[in-house]
Amino acid sequence: DVKVTQSSRYLVKRTGEKVFLECVQDMDHENMFWYRQDPGLGLRLIYFSYDVKMKEKGDIPEGYSVSREKKERFSLILESASTNQTSMYLCASSPQDRKNQPQHFGDGTRLSIL
Amino acid sequence: TQLLEQSPQFLSIQEGENLTVYCNSSSVFSSLQWYRQEPGEGPVLLVTVVTGGEVKKLKRLTFQFGDARKDSSLHITAAQTGDTGLYLCAGAIWNTGNQFYFGTGTSLTVIP
Repeated sequence: DVKVTQSSRYLVKRTGEKVFLECVQDMDHENMFWYRQDPGLGLRLIYFSYDVKMKEKGDIPEGYSVSREKKERFSLILESASTNQTSMYLCASSPQDRKNQPQHFGDGTRLSIL
Repeated sequence: TQLLEQSPQFLSIQEGENLTVYCNSSSVFSSLQWYRQEPGEGPVLLVTVVTGGEVKKLKRLTFQFGDARKDSSLHITAAQTGDTGLYLCAGAIWNTGNQFYFGTGTSLTVIP
């Protein structure tokens, strides 16, 4: 079974801090994704990556950056955290070789910015 | 603006009742997936539909992809408490690789 592991289930940070959310997958997937989930808005894509050192902006990249130095690891960075970034963050991965492959999700990080 | 709108946003029903969840868009999708998410966990794939008009069944769950590939529905027969969760549709648009656009979600509660 695919395992996507997010480093923290709950995280509390202060406004202005630099925040790192880590995600690791163990199935050698090329694609990795970061979403934020808010009630009534579903999942919104922040950034995704098709390969090591490659990154593409999603629908809501403002205030975020990402890093993919190794295939299995995809990090989301909040450069200067703000209260409107309080949310549930979900990481996902999928293989690139076939179409319509499911995305495999981690269990999420609930981030609170005070 | 969300690309995919789901309705209803919240649904609370008695065990044994039937229900339908809708996923609508003005965009055409190459395929559409349905996920279920339980509290404290990430979404898990239920089904993928790829052909306009396609119907797929998963035990008591029936999924349909619209003829024009712009909408989908999920019908649950004789709901059980184990069906409780957040249901999300996600559509893929041609030539966007493996990027899926997620719907707004339907939170289902089945009361015993």
